[in-house]
Amino acid sequence: SQQGEEDPQALSIQEGENATMNCSYKTSINNLQWYRQNSGRGLVHLILIRSNEREKHSGRLRVTLDTSKKSSSLLITASRAADTASYFCATEGGGGFKTIFGAGTRLFVKA
Amino acid sequence: DGGITQSPKYLFRKEGQNVTLSCEQNLNHDAMYWYRQDPGQGLRLIYYSQIVNDFQKGDIAEGYSVSREKKESFPLTVTSAQKNPTAFYLCASSSWTGEETQYFGPGTRLLVL
Repeated sequence: SQQGEEDPQALSIQEGENATMNCSYKTSINNLQWYRQNSGRGLVHLILIRSNEREKHSGRLRVTLDTSKKSSSLLITASRAADTASYFCATEGGGGFKTIFGAGTRLFVKA
Repeated sequence: DGGITQSPKYLFRKEGQNVTLSCEQNLNHDAMYWYRQDPGQGLRLIYYSQIVNDFQKGDIAEGYSVSREKKESFPLTVTSAQKNPTAFYLCASSSWTGEETQYFGPGTRLLVL
């Protein structure tokens, strides 16, 4: 079963707007990660947030984690056409080295 | 440059044929993974290896086999038993230190003739 599920499945915005994607998960975690995938490419790690952190920033990215609600959000500020990609959250699947990826949010930023 | 390479970029399989996808990393990572991605979907774990000469089945291992004879290499064989092999295959690696960040290769797209 999937551990992380992203919402919405797809998002279309204008360049310059902010994009918010959400991820919900089911069991306790030590950390949660966000990855980005351009069409037909491998995934690129964006940011990792640990269970004892509530918010983390990296450039135009802001990630929040609410362990009481078992949810996380990824905010991309001042979006650019180059941000067009799929974004996945990933959580541990138990057993240490298994990571479970959600189905992703497809973001389309119109120039 | 350090990283993960996968080859080939595209692979065509005939009915009843076994094909092998290559994955090599020079990041000195202990752990390596194979994922399958279907169109519009997330990643599903096929096999993973935490150390040389050891590997474990993931969620969809049936019809696939792997080997880990060298730290740098983790080839995946798609056997004839895999009836629906058309997908995008991604290899990844991570360190043993408990840092779970995975580094991905560019992927191999497998198509059935």
